[in-house]
Amino acid sequence: KQEVTQIPAALSVPEGENLVLNCSFTDSAIYNLQWFRQDPGKGLTSLLLIQSSQREQTSGRLNASLDKSSGRSTLYIAASQPGDSATYLCAVVDRGSTLGRLYFGRGTQLTVWP
Amino acid sequence: DTGVSQNPRHKITKRGQNVTFRCDPISEHNRLYWYRQTLGQGPEFLTYFQNEAQLEKSRLLSDRFSAERPKGSFSTLEIQRTEQGDSAMYLCASSLQGNEQFFGPGTRLTVL
Repeated sequence: KQEVTQIPAALSVPEGENLVLNCSFTDSAIYNLQWFRQDPGKGLTSLLLIQSSQREQTSGRLNASLDKSSGRSTLYIAASQPGDSATYLCAVVDRGSTLGRLYFGRGTQLTVWP
Repeated sequence: DTGVSQNPRHKITKRGQNVTFRCDPISEHNRLYWYRQTLGQGPEFLTYFQNEAQLEKSRLLSDRFSAERPKGSFSTLEIQRTEQGDSAMYLCASSLQGNEQFFGPGTRLTVL
C-alpha cells in the first residue's frame, strides 16, 4: 500500500524566508503527484500537479520538483508571506490505479510571521 | 462554473440519527471522489464514481455508508445510525479523466 510522509510536521518562519517542504512516498510507480493547501476548517486548494513524466512545475512563487526514483517531492516557496500560513498536503496517484484515488500525507503546518 | 460545492457546510447530529451530504462537482468532470479527514490527518479515500457508476469503495466505508450519483451529476453520501467515530470533515473532489482533482469546501460532521 502506498504511504506518503511529509517532513517537517510543522514549520514557523519569519516573513521573507525561502522554504522547502518535503514529501516522500513508498511506491515510486506513481501516475502523478499533487500539492494542496488547506486553511483551517476549509477544503483543499490545488497548488500544483506534476505528471510522472515531469521533473518540476512552477506557479508564481511556488516550485514543486519530483524525483520518482527516490520517491521524493519538494515544494519550494520563495519569499514567504503571512498569507502563506496554512497546512500543505502532498498526495500521489499510483500508476497501477486506473481510478485516480489520492494517497495523502499528514501535511506540513506552516506559519509565516510578520 | 465556480468549482465544487458541498452542502451543508456543517452538520451537528445526535448519535443514531441519519445524515445526508450533497456534492455538486464541476459540470464537465466525469469523476467524483469522496474522502474523509479527521483532525491532524490527511484525507482518506472513501469511494469513487465515474459518471453514475460507483467503481470502488474503501474498507472505511462500512455498510452504514451509502453513496449515489444519479445521472452522473451531483452525488450524495448518506450515513445511517451515526456514531461518534463518524465525526470528521467529509470532502468531495472531481476531476476530468483522472487528472487534477479539485476539492469542495467540505462538510464538517459532529456527532454528539
